[in-house]
This record gives sequence, C-alpha cells and structure tokens, in this order.
Amino acid sequence: ETGVTQSPTHLIKTRGQQVTLRCSSQSGHNTVSWYQQALGQGPQFIFQYYREEENGRGNFPPRFSGLQFPNYSSELNVNALELDDSALYLCASSSGGLLWDYTFGSGTRLTVV
Amino acid sequence: QKEVEQNSGPLSVPEGAIASLNCTYSDRGSQSFFWYRQYSGKSPELIMFIYSNGDKEDGRFTAQLNKASQYVSLLIRDSQPSDSATYLCAVPSNDYKLSFGAGTTVTVRA
Repeated sequence: ETGVTQSPTHLIKTRGQQVTLRCSSQSGHNTVSWYQQALGQGPQFIFQYYREEENGRGNFPPRFSGLQFPNYSSELNVNALELDDSALYLCASSSGGLLWDYTFGSGTRLTVV
Repeated sequence: QKEVEQNSGPLSVPEGAIASLNCTYSDRGSQSFFWYRQYSGKSPELIMFIYSNGDKEDGRFTAQLNKASQYVSLLIRDSQPSDSATYLCAVPSNDYKLSFGAGTTVTVRA
C-alpha cells in the first residue's frame, strides 16, 4: 500500500472553475512533485516543492500553482480550468528529491466539462 | 524531437514469451534511466532503474542500456497475464524531474 495519499480520487469541474488537489507525502519524505498525465500519454512534470518552496517548474502556465506545508503535504491549485486540463494528476514524494526514491500517489482523475 | 520516445504499442505477446520494449532519449548526458509499470487507472510503480552500460537483471525483468546509441530497453521473460500493463520509460531531465515517454501497453495472452 502506497504511503502517499491523494484526494479526491475523482472530480468533475466546469470550464472556468478552480480546483484544489491534495497530497500527503510518505513519512520521511520532504519533497513533493506534481505530474499531469493525459489519457494515453506519459506523466508531464508540473512542479516540485522542497521544504515549502518551489524547486522547479515544467512548461505549465501560471494558473497552475502549488503549496507545500510544514508537514510536507502539498496542494495543487488550477484556476480558470480548461477542457485540456482533464487528466490524471499524480503527486510523488521523495527524500531530498532523489529520483529513484519517488513514491507516487494513486492520483486524482480530473474531468473538466 | 521528444526527450524520451518509446516504441509504439500495443504489444501483444503469448503467455511465457519474451516481451521486448524499447526507449530512446535525446540528452546524451543522461546518466540514469527508469522503467515504470502502470496498471490501468493506477499510479506508476518503479520496476527497474539502470545507470551503467550493459544489462541489469531483476527476476524476470532485464534492463539493457546502450549510452552510445542512446537507447534503453526492457525485457520481460516468461510473460504472465499479470504483466499486462503500460510500461513507461523515464529519464531525468535535471536534478529534480523525470521526463517520461508516452508508454507502451503490453497485453499478455493466456
């Protein structure tokens, strides 16, 4: 059973709305990375948080934003939702950002209608 | 050119056969390579990583790396129906992120 939990598991939103996705990291992990996986594609890196600060960002517009809290849990916020935002959103926690140490959560399936 | 490209699927193999998956990458400086398995509707799970040229074996899985040719492959020996999944190749793009290929879906026929 994965130590990373994400909520909610499924979500339906209307175009133009805002959404917040949540992720709790595995015990001992201080880094959280967020990925977007469209249907039939591999995960695409959104951003990473390390010790409550953004540590790197992929090619996503500013309407994608995040937070990391002192307990290392994290949120992904998306404003002004577009149809193309429909995807599986994955968070992965790791210790110090070690790539081989990634533990993925089960994901949040977002559908924008 | 995409950073990571995988051979297009789907790949269908009979039970007990060898499934061969290929991945090429564009950054010649890449040092480590990851193979993830993703069951439908589930999150990716790491099954292999390799950083040295040659072969690395773990149970029925063998990863092969050829840095000169910039490709990494995954062999699944004695394929089982439980191996039916999408296999994702991932390459670090820098210190903090992985670039994934689109994945190859494998179906093992009983």
